[in-house]
Amino acid sequence: AQKITQTQPGMFVQEKEAVTLDCTYDTSDPSYGLFWYKQPSSGEMIFLIYQGSYDQQNATEGRYSLNFQKARKSANLVISASQLGDSAMYFCAIAPPASKLTFGTGTRLQVTL
Amino acid sequence: DAGVIQSPRHEVTEMGQEVTLRCKPISGHNSLFWYRQTMMRGLELLIYFNNNVPIDDSGMPEDRFSAKMPNASFSTLKIQPSEPRDSAVYFCASRPGGFKETQYFGPGTRLLVL
Repeated sequence: AQKITQTQPGMFVQEKEAVTLDCTYDTSDPSYGLFWYKQPSSGEMIFLIYQGSYDQQNATEGRYSLNFQKARKSANLVISASQLGDSAMYFCAIAPPASKLTFGTGTRLQVTL
Repeated sequence: DAGVIQSPRHEVTEMGQEVTLRCKPISGHNSLFWYRQTMMRGLELLIYFNNNVPIDDSGMPEDRFSAKMPNASFSTLKIQPSEPRDSAVYFCASRPGGFKETQYFGPGTRLLVL
């Protein structure tokens, strides 16, 4: 079984600043993937970034990076140079290979001027 | 390239009616997932298919829910009879397969059962 914990229900960040969204996980699977998705107010689920459990380097995708600390079972999302369009719900998720995603409860990020 | 396509985007129906949600995965993807999102339970898997075969349907709430994938390009999720507690956003997602793990979501179907 897998579990994702996101302890920050809401976060505020000023435009152009960096922000870290926390995610911790628990799993009994030796191999797994960690994902972050963005859900804006329009409702769609947008894939942001993926980290495999055996990847040696932290994943990066443009302004998004994943701070993966395997021993601590954490997979925090870092958004650099925040933009107003980054305001949304952010979900962390985990999945064993070729299997279903288990999601956290999400963090609502609000970017302010 | 077209993403995952879901229809209808919105559905309002009365309790007891049959509801059919449709999904077309991204071409070439071999896994398809149905998720449901509610305020109370968050995002949860209902069922998923690999190569059109159901693999895990443990999330299907009860016998009122059924899902099919008759071919690689089409899947349906049916609720019969529908109840108010089925009101939710239903997402379909597809995954390429092989070593590519990312699941890509459709826009969702917002279902309201009165």
